[in-house]
Amino acid sequence: AQRVTQPEKLLSVFKGAPVELKCNYSYSGSPELFWYVQYSRQRLQLLLRHISRESIKGFTADLNKGETSFHLKKPFAQEEDSAMYYCALSFTGTASKLTFGTGTRLQVTL
Amino acid sequence: EAGVTQSPTHLIKTRGQQATLRCSPISGHTSVYWYQQALGLGLQFLLWYDEGEERNRGNFPPRFSGRQFPNYSSELNVNALELEDSALYLCASSLPGESKNIQYFGAGTRLSVL
Repeated sequence: AQRVTQPEKLLSVFKGAPVELKCNYSYSGSPELFWYVQYSRQRLQLLLRHISRESIKGFTADLNKGETSFHLKKPFAQEEDSAMYYCALSFTGTASKLTFGTGTRLQVTL
Repeated sequence: EAGVTQSPTHLIKTRGQQATLRCSPISGHTSVYWYQQALGLGLQFLLWYDEGEERNRGNFPPRFSGRQFPNYSSELNVNALELEDSALYLCASSLPGESKNIQYFGAGTRLSVL
């Protein structure tokens, strides 16, 4: 069965500091990995998808199949990055359910 | 473009009652997914409908059921409500074809069971 682990419930960093939100997964097939973000009083929205290999709002994430990880990184945290971040896994290429991690709350302070 | 809409925003029921939650997907989206976000448990997959058919269900008892209508909107029904059913229920929709894996979420229905 697939599983997504986000080991940190809360990550607190100073503005301008680097950010790394950890995500590890277990899945026997070829997964598709996502990062979703939920800002205060807003709905859950897609931040990144590993297939597109793009940088969104300065965030990047690389799929490491050897370490089964998909960590989310940003070199310089901004106050507006404060939010709840969820890593999620799906099957590649077809519609299917998302398996979510338990989420990490990122708190960026001055 | 309107996003995924869910109704009602809040729903208060008592134990043993039935709850019906509704979801309208983004126009052109044929798949609808339901997730439960209970306190401390994160987002758990409940049900997936595509083209009117149930494609997959999560590890939930049969009293959680639903359907998808010809216009692709969906209902989630929870029978014989229990206190632990209190949660935020999120609906998501996705496009057919290669972009199927990108799910767009609604704001949710908060169900409180007293």
